[in-house]
Amino acid sequence: DAGVTQSPTHLIKTRGQHVTLRCSPISGHKSVSWYQQVLGQGPQFIFQYYEKEERGRGNFPDRFSARQFPNYSSELNVNALLLGDSALYLCASSTTGDTEAFFGQGTRLTVV
Amino acid sequence: GIQVEQSPPDLILQEGANSTLRCNFSDSVNNLQWFHQNPWGQLINLFYIPSGTKQNGRLSATTVATERYSLLYISSSQTTDSGVYFCAVTSGTYKYIFGTGTRLKVLA
Repeated sequence: DAGVTQSPTHLIKTRGQHVTLRCSPISGHKSVSWYQQVLGQGPQFIFQYYEKEERGRGNFPDRFSARQFPNYSSELNVNALLLGDSALYLCASSTTGDTEAFFGQGTRLTVV
Repeated sequence: GIQVEQSPPDLILQEGANSTLRCNFSDSVNNLQWFHQNPWGQLINLFYIPSGTKQNGRLSATTVATERYSLLYISSSQTTDSGVYFCAVTSGTYKYIFGTGTRLKVLA
């Protein structure tokens, strides 16, 4: 079975632009969570979706938004990019959101 | 919110040595996982262990939930064990809170 897949793997954007990151969970998993990891730190929670509903949101500005589709895949959108948004963005998949989480390989975003 | 601290922050070992990584948490937890983050950033699941003891090859883990800590044991370390090890927990919410990480370097 395929694991969690994220696209793209790398991305370079200019300040002020918009970006969309994509995640496909493990087959049968209904929950997707997004995390941001800046260099030298542990991942920080951004959002969790379960059955297409937002279940939780971390301490991130409204420039960050996400959604989950009927096939349980998810998109993370970031508007008005700042240099500080440069990070590794990780997607995690789990059956119901409160069990073991499995992470994708991440999308490395660089804002210049 | 819950605090998760890991020790040591950095560890350098010779190939073949054994090590113990510790994760302390400040409140009761619902879930606890250990991850290995490889140089490319991928978080590899090592153990899902909210309580008890598990073993997988050269790795084993123990969580003592009542005393709020978990230990990860690495035996006969190999250079491929190098990377950052994270402990992550959930406590009353669905989000995982990650520890500060232990950066391990295994020398040939």
